[in-house]
Amino acid sequence: QVQLVQSGAEVKKPGSSVKVSCKASGGTFSSYTISWVRQAPGQGLEWMGRIIPILGIANYAQKFQGRVTITADKSTSTAYMELSSLRSEDTAVYYCVYGDHLGYWGQGTLVTVSS
Amino acid sequence: DIQMTQSPSSLSASVGDRVTITCQASQDISNYLNWYQQKPGKAPKLLIYDASNLETGVPSRFSGSGSGTDFTFTISSLQPEDIATYYCQQYDNLMYTFGQGTKLEIK
Repeated sequence: QVQLVQSGAEVKKPGSSVKVSCKASGGTFSSYTISWVRQAPGQGLEWMGRIIPILGIANYAQKFQGRVTITADKSTSTAYMELSSLRSEDTAVYYCVYGDHLGYWGQGTLVTVSS
Repeated sequence: DIQMTQSPSSLSASVGDRVTITCQASQDISNYLNWYQQKPGKAPKLLIYDASNLETGVPSRFSGSGSGTDFTFTISSLQPEDIATYYCQQYDNLMYTFGQGTKLEIK
């Protein structure tokens, strides 16, 4: 059973960056995709991008191109999502998700952007 | 980008009712369509993958159908624990898109 444990809540200033981590256990980390999905308060789900750790190749939703970077460290089975140039609209819960079918979800990390 | 139009946005039904949610893709996505359930304060849960395959452990009252651009999600007999928001999601050409969600309430 795959388990994903994400880093803790963050409070950031507008214009800064945030980096959220996601440590996987119980599965074959490198062979499957890790996606990042966010959910603003009271809103729906928004896919941001994904990485295939074994290839080290990431692709991103057009909306986030140039502002998000997804990486993975195979040695520690940890994925990272870094979002830059933060604005208030980026306040959301950020989830890492394992698998092509988004079958396993982390617990979520609340990122609050506020001056 | 492929857009997903999900309807209705909210739905009120009685216990035991048959509930149907639809999702339409802006272009042909074959069967690359998943359905998720999200309860308040929780992460989403995969229910149906590849349009019609029931995820392991998911009750058989949940089902999905469709291909191409038109998809349907059905709860055959609504239970109180099914109160949640449901999302469709497509995956095509390495990109994923979610529908807007359907909030399901008990009448």
